[in-house]
Amino acid sequence: EDQVTQSPEALRLQEGESSSLNCSYTVSGLRGLFWYRQDPGKGPEFLFTLYSAGEEKEKERLKATLTKKESFLHITAPKPEDSATYLCAVQAPLIKAAGNKLTFGGGTRVLVKP
Amino acid sequence: DTGVSQDPRHKITKRGQNVTFRCDPISEHNRLYWYRQTLGQGPEFLTYFQNEAQLEKSRLLSDRFSAERPKGSFSTLEIQRTEQGDSAMYLCASSLGSGARYEQYFGPGTRLTVT
Repeated sequence: EDQVTQSPEALRLQEGESSSLNCSYTVSGLRGLFWYRQDPGKGPEFLFTLYSAGEEKEKERLKATLTKKESFLHITAPKPEDSATYLCAVQAPLIKAAGNKLTFGGGTRVLVKP
Repeated sequence: DTGVSQDPRHKITKRGQNVTFRCDPISEHNRLYWYRQTLGQGPEFLTYFQNEAQLEKSRLLSDRFSAERPKGSFSTLEIQRTEQGDSAMYLCASSLGSGARYEQYFGPGTRLTVT
């Protein structure tokens, strides 16, 4: 069964202190790895999709990278508004309709202090 | 951009009561998903619709849970004889197609509290 593990569970940063979040996954034939941001009491907000090892995507202060076993979300010079829970999810190969679901990790709660 | 909407946003019910939640996907999206999220955890898949057809159900979806998507538009998720363990955030998502090229967009969720 697909498994996704995120670390650390929580991260406290000072404004401007860059850091990385890890997402390790076990899935046969990854179709896509997704990063979402979730603010308290809200639904997840889509950030990136990565499809193959070596791929990188950037958005403002966020950069996501992918290897064959894990993905990293790098936060460069974070600001307080980057405080949120960051969720990683994988989508497995399509077997009939079973592959459309996302399997999520537990998330990393990021707090950026001014 | 209207996004995915869910109603109600919050629901408090007593154990044993039935509850129904509604999800309106992004208008041109024909795929619709339900997930459940408990505090401090990531969302867990419950069920998936392609148009009006329910194509997959998780083992998490016990007999007390039923989901429908009549006419392939909005969807409802009903929980019968609620239990305290049903307390969670129920999230709906939609996508334009299947596969990783079509990201899933989530609604704001319905937070259910069973007392």
